[in-house]
Amino acid sequence: AQSVAQPEDQVNVAEGNPLTVKCTYSVSGNPYLFWYVQYPNRGLQFLLKYITGDNLVKGSYGFEAEFNKSQTSFHLKKPSALVSDSALYFCAVRDNTGTASKLTFGTGTRLQVTL
Amino acid sequence: KAGVTQTPRYLIKTRGQQVTLSCSPISGHRSVSWYQQTPGQGLQFLFEYFSETQRNKGNFPGRFSGRQFSNSRSEMNVSTLELGDSALYLCASKASPIGELFFGEGSRLTVL
Repeated sequence: AQSVAQPEDQVNVAEGNPLTVKCTYSVSGNPYLFWYVQYPNRGLQFLLKYITGDNLVKGSYGFEAEFNKSQTSFHLKKPSALVSDSALYFCAVRDNTGTASKLTFGTGTRLQVTL
Repeated sequence: KAGVTQTPRYLIKTRGQQVTLSCSPISGHRSVSWYQQTPGQGLQFLFEYFSETQRNKGNFPGRFSGRQFSNSRSEMNVSTLELGDSALYLCASKASPIGELFFGEGSRLTVL
């Protein structure tokens, strides 16, 4: 069975400071990893994904994530946070076996960026 | 290119009724997935359809069902509604087997 853990319910950051939202995963085989963001009363927006290749993945809105196989982690990062980044962030994983696309999501981390 | 479209956006039902939610995927996407989002359970996978065939199903009771049409549009139905079915129902489509899911804005169901 595949699973995702987001250990922090909320992360608070001052605008202009770097941010990190943590994610660890468990999956049989090689993982496909994703980050999504959700604003209030909206659907999920795709930020970035890791399928294979370079461990540092760059995505939308200046976000990036680092895949670490030995630590089974896929932390989301941004060098300089903006107030508009305040939202709910979800990490998700699926294994690379078969063609079904069931994603398992973490419980979400609320990012609060303040002036 | 238009995104994933879900209708209706909001609806209120009473216990025992049934509801049908609709989803139009991004043009050219043949895979459609449905997820339920609640504060208590988070995001949970309901089912996935590809070319009118259900390929995967989550751990939900038989009251939850879905289908996909030849134009890739999908519907999900919940019968005999319960209070606990109140949730945001999200539909997503993707272009390829390993591609990312693109989500619609969701249908928020309130069961009274």
